[in-house]
Amino acid sequence: SQTIHQWPATLVQPVGSPLSLECTVEGTSNPNLYWYRQAAGRGLQLLFYSVGIGQISSEVPQNLSASRPQDRQFILSSKKLLLSDSGFYLCAWGTSGRETQYFGPGTRLLVL
Amino acid sequence: AQSVTQLDSQVPVFEEAPVELRCNYSSSVSVYLFWYVQYPNQGLQLLLKYLSGSTLVKGINGFEAEFNKSQTSFHLRKPSVHISDTAEYFCAVTRSSNTGKLIFGQGTTLQVKP
Repeated sequence: SQTIHQWPATLVQPVGSPLSLECTVEGTSNPNLYWYRQAAGRGLQLLFYSVGIGQISSEVPQNLSASRPQDRQFILSSKKLLLSDSGFYLCAWGTSGRETQYFGPGTRLLVL
Repeated sequence: AQSVTQLDSQVPVFEEAPVELRCNYSSSVSVYLFWYVQYPNQGLQLLLKYLSGSTLVKGINGFEAEFNKSQTSFHLRKPSVHISDTAEYFCAVTRSSNTGKLIFGQGTTLQVKP
């Protein structure tokens, strides 16, 4: 069966510090991968998606970036965090041609 | 462009009462519809989905939803709720494509009271 992992589970970072969140998927190959952000009291906003290694599409302008160095690994990064980057970050995977996405447990980021 | 509107931000209900969480969408093309549930500090779990076929879709935990194309709605229902159903519920839409990007509503908090 397929599983999706995210780490860390919780992160507290000062403003201006770098960020690296990791997401890995097991039990499937060539998945579509997604990063979402959920700000407090708001819905989910798609940040990035990837249909293959090295292929990243950005949905919203921001100071975050994403990379996919391996087929089942998706990384969310920032060089300098802003207060507004605080939120709950969710990684998800799906299969091309099928629409259902499966979500990881999330990373709660607090920027102080 | 597609969009999703969840008409209620919070729905309080007593245990064992029926509940309906409302979702409307807008799209110029055929869509696929989903309901996800999020328990506190957890990721999203798929409740049910409509891709094609019967407009009444049954999901996990006793939930069901009905796709109404003419009213562009996909309301979620449960005939008798439990305390454990207290959570955030998200309606989402996508259209068939290689990317499968989901557009989410703002969420509805279901508060089940004893």
